[in-house]
Amino acid sequence: DQQVKQNSPSLSVQEGRISILNCDYTNSMFDYFLWYKKYPAEGPTFLISISSIKDKNEDGRFTVFLNKSAKHLSLHIVPSQPGDSAVYFCAASDYNTDKLIFGTGTRLQVFP
Amino acid sequence: DSGVTQTPKHLITATGQRVTLRCSPRSGDLSVYWYQQSLDQGLQFLIQYYNGEERAKGNILERFSAQQFPDLHSELNLSSLELGDSALYFCASSVGKGRWADTQYFGPGTRLTVL
Repeated sequence: DQQVKQNSPSLSVQEGRISILNCDYTNSMFDYFLWYKKYPAEGPTFLISISSIKDKNEDGRFTVFLNKSAKHLSLHIVPSQPGDSAVYFCAASDYNTDKLIFGTGTRLQVFP
Repeated sequence: DSGVTQTPKHLITATGQRVTLRCSPRSGDLSVYWYQQSLDQGLQFLIQYYNGEERAKGNILERFSAQQFPDLHSELNLSSLELGDSALYFCASSVGKGRWADTQYFGPGTRLTVL
């Protein structure tokens, strides 16, 4: 049972435009969400997070939006840069567990 | 560089064999986590150790075991290997016990190929 789903395996965006990566979850107990970025031959690196008491968190070009009623979150990257080309993983956790549940990832390609 | 080191980088072995993967956490981090990433799959949490003790368990097979040593490095032991065990194995570390706001820092991974 996939509790965290990233239904788009890949996304291609032109440099300078907005990239929107989506993530859906099924467990209503999740109350903390994270995005990780992964380059080839490297481990995932933490990008941005949001707790369920917020609906938006912004860090530079990266903004995460949370819609609890829809059990949906999204990562916006504006403006997209070629260096953003990577696989992006959404992850979720709840206060009662020490486990992070990851989605399957979305491969973002930013072209000139 | 996350500060988490993993050895070896690549490992090729045969079915039925046993291997050990090693992880050194970032300086000061007390928690170590192990994840498995199979082809086209997300990262599957295997197990977490905090300051030498097992803290949380995920989808870890009985053929797999782990431990964290007094110097806080950790080893993941995989035995009776099967073709399906071929995957990337990541180690991560964090400062605290891993409750949801505790950022995990990942190592570069060990690619295991079972022939």
